[in-house]
Amino acid sequence: DAGVIQSPRHEVTEMGQEVTLRCKPISGHDYLFWYRQTMMRGLELLIYFNNNVPIDDSGMPEDRFSAKMPNASFSTLKIQPSEPRDSAVYFCASSWTGVQPQHFGDGTRLSIL
Amino acid sequence: SQQGEEDPQALSIQEGENATMNCSYKTSINNLQWYRQNSGRGLVHLILIRSNEREKHSGRLRVTLDTSKKSSSLLITASRAADTASYFCASYSGGGADGLTFGKGTHLIIQP
Repeated sequence: DAGVIQSPRHEVTEMGQEVTLRCKPISGHDYLFWYRQTMMRGLELLIYFNNNVPIDDSGMPEDRFSAKMPNASFSTLKIQPSEPRDSAVYFCASSWTGVQPQHFGDGTRLSIL
Repeated sequence: SQQGEEDPQALSIQEGENATMNCSYKTSINNLQWYRQNSGRGLVHLILIRSNEREKHSGRLRVTLDTSKKSSSLLITASRAADTASYFCASYSGGGADGLTFGKGTHLIIQP
C-alpha cells in the first residue's frame, strides 16, 4: 500500500512568496492532519480534517496559513505571504479514526529566505 | 503545547546494548503511543499501549505504562545500528483526534 505522499519534499523560496504544500493521504483514512516540526517547538498540530471537513484549526499560527481538503485524496496547506519564521518541516498524516495511530508522510522541508 | 516529555533528550550506546527511554505526561490518557523518526523521514508508529495496560511487547520493543506516575518507558533490546533515530511518545487524552500530543523526542545513537 502506498503511504502518505507529500510534495514537494523540499521548497526554498523568498519571503513574501506564496507557498503551497500538498498531501495525498492513505486511501480509506477518514482523518488528515497537518503538523509543523521545528527544533525549538517540536511537533505542533496545525489543523485536522475529518471526512474532508476541517474540525480544529486552532493550531494554525496566523491568517497567513490556510488549509483545504477538496476531496478524500488531496489536501493543501498554503502560506501567503511566507516569512522566514515559517521555515520548518511540515508533515501530513492520516488515520482511520481519531484514536488510531497516525501514518506520516516524509514531510516538506520549507526554507523561507 | 507539548504534553509529553522524553528523557533523556539524547542517548548514545554501543550496538548490542539495551536502550531505555522515558516519557512523562501531564493529564489522564486514553492511550500512549511511541513513534520512531529516522533522519529526513516522517514518524513511524511503533506501539500503542492503552491506559488499562501495564506492559506491552512487540519484537525487541517493550513498553511499560504507569498511570499513577503519568509515565511510560520504551526499552529496545539488543540494539542495532539501524535503531539510530529519534523516538517520540505521544499521549492521547481523548476528546477528539486532536487529543494526541507529542513530546520533543529522544535522539538515540547506536555506535557500531
